[in-house]
Amino acid sequence: DIQMTQSPSSLSASVGDTVTITCQASQGIINSLNWYQQKIGRAPKLLIHATSTLETGVPSRFSGSGSGTSFTLTISSLQPEDFATYFCQQYEGHPYTFGPGTKLDI
Amino acid sequence: QVQLVQSGAEVKRPGASVRVSCKASGYTFSNYAMHWVRQAPGQSPEWMGWINPATGKTGYSQKFQGRVTISRDTSASTAYMEVTNLTSEDSSLYYCARVPYGGRFDSWGQGTLVTVSS
Repeated sequence: DIQMTQSPSSLSASVGDTVTITCQASQGIINSLNWYQQKIGRAPKLLIHATSTLETGVPSRFSGSGSGTSFTLTISSLQPEDFATYFCQQYEGHPYTFGPGTKLDI
Repeated sequence: QVQLVQSGAEVKRPGASVRVSCKASGYTFSNYAMHWVRQAPGQSPEWMGWINPATGKTGYSQKFQGRVTISRDTSASTAYMEVTNLTSEDSSLYYCARVPYGGRFDSWGQGTLVTVSS
């Protein structure tokens, strides 16, 4: 199985800050990497697919980059609604696997 | 709009089985794969398997092979996921998720809490 790691595991920031979350894959996954946001008591919400393609309706302050084994999610000008947990997920090989998550709080 | 509505919470004894349903609306059910993911409290999601509603073809994570069965009823636009021989480790929130292509989980059900307790 392809193992996914994320750093940091938690992050404190303020409204208006820019933050970066890193995701590493245990083997090359080309660009087969998605990012999700999850708020307490809710299902995950797809933000970015194929490393850098923003889902419809997702604000442009979210961006993704990377390839191979190293990927990043950047959120610029943090808004109050951005405080949540973020997961990366690879779909290059079965089983699809998710990272352990990064909790972003104020 | 796309909606996936799952069946309600379940409490089961160890060794029992549970079946969770996922009713789709707002799109053509047969045109999109349906995947199942579970998430234990405080943990990240864990992929379990998938079904092609048009053909009935399924695929499972090796971890769940033999203990999980995914099926569908196209006339009811509903997918099902059954887990047998439950243990306390199976206590989790179970989600269905639509996948248009690749591994892009673009719509999720609300989740079904399964609690396994003696």
